[in-house]
Amino acid sequence: DTEVTQTPKHLVMGMTNKKSLKCEQHMGHRAMYWYKQKAKKPPELMFVYSYEKLSINESVPSRFSPECPNSSLLNLHLHALQPEDSALYLCASSPRTESNEKLFFGSGTQLSVL
Amino acid sequence: SQQGEEDPQALSIQEGENATMNCSYKTSINNLQWYRQNSGRGLVHLILIRSNEREKHSGRLRVTLDTSKKSSSLLITASRAADTASYFCATVNAGNNRKLIWGLGTSLAVNP
Repeated sequence: DTEVTQTPKHLVMGMTNKKSLKCEQHMGHRAMYWYKQKAKKPPELMFVYSYEKLSINESVPSRFSPECPNSSLLNLHLHALQPEDSALYLCASSPRTESNEKLFFGSGTQLSVL
Repeated sequence: SQQGEEDPQALSIQEGENATMNCSYKTSINNLQWYRQNSGRGLVHLILIRSNEREKHSGRLRVTLDTSKKSSSLLITASRAADTASYFCATVNAGNNRKLIWGLGTSLAVNP
């Protein structure tokens, strides 16, 4: 199984809602990532988990809260988002952060904040 | 963070033609990777070239790396409509291998 699975594929939420994005991989990878991508732009790194511990937070606003319950799962909890947070949110994994030689991406969650 | 630059930003070719896109970066690197992204989808890793390599092939893909010019090129030969996508380069910088530094991307359209 070489897949990274993200749910939901699409999400529309209001600015007062609380929602969560989910990501799962069963490749035994110990590094997992959240990226945000606006249309026609490169992905922007948000968070990196290494061995289930948060190792990089790219100064992301606190309305985004990551969680890594175990080595296969990664969540992104969303609360009080702004319309400018509308974007494609991508999860990725790699065997470990130290090598960074190949990231496996999920298909993403297209988020719209109204 | 410093981003690489890719050119052209957009490229439109006919099926069967070759497509070349370039990537420049700013600092010393450990490796450079190319990814493809179909519209609204996740990125797919295509190929990795290490700093001590000059050329690599994978199927219809050929990647070159010139560390003296801090640049790389991706050649797709005999293009197909299914190659229509955005292509991004990403570098792992020497001395900071914890994250990828992404280029701005090239949007490739292959017309049937």
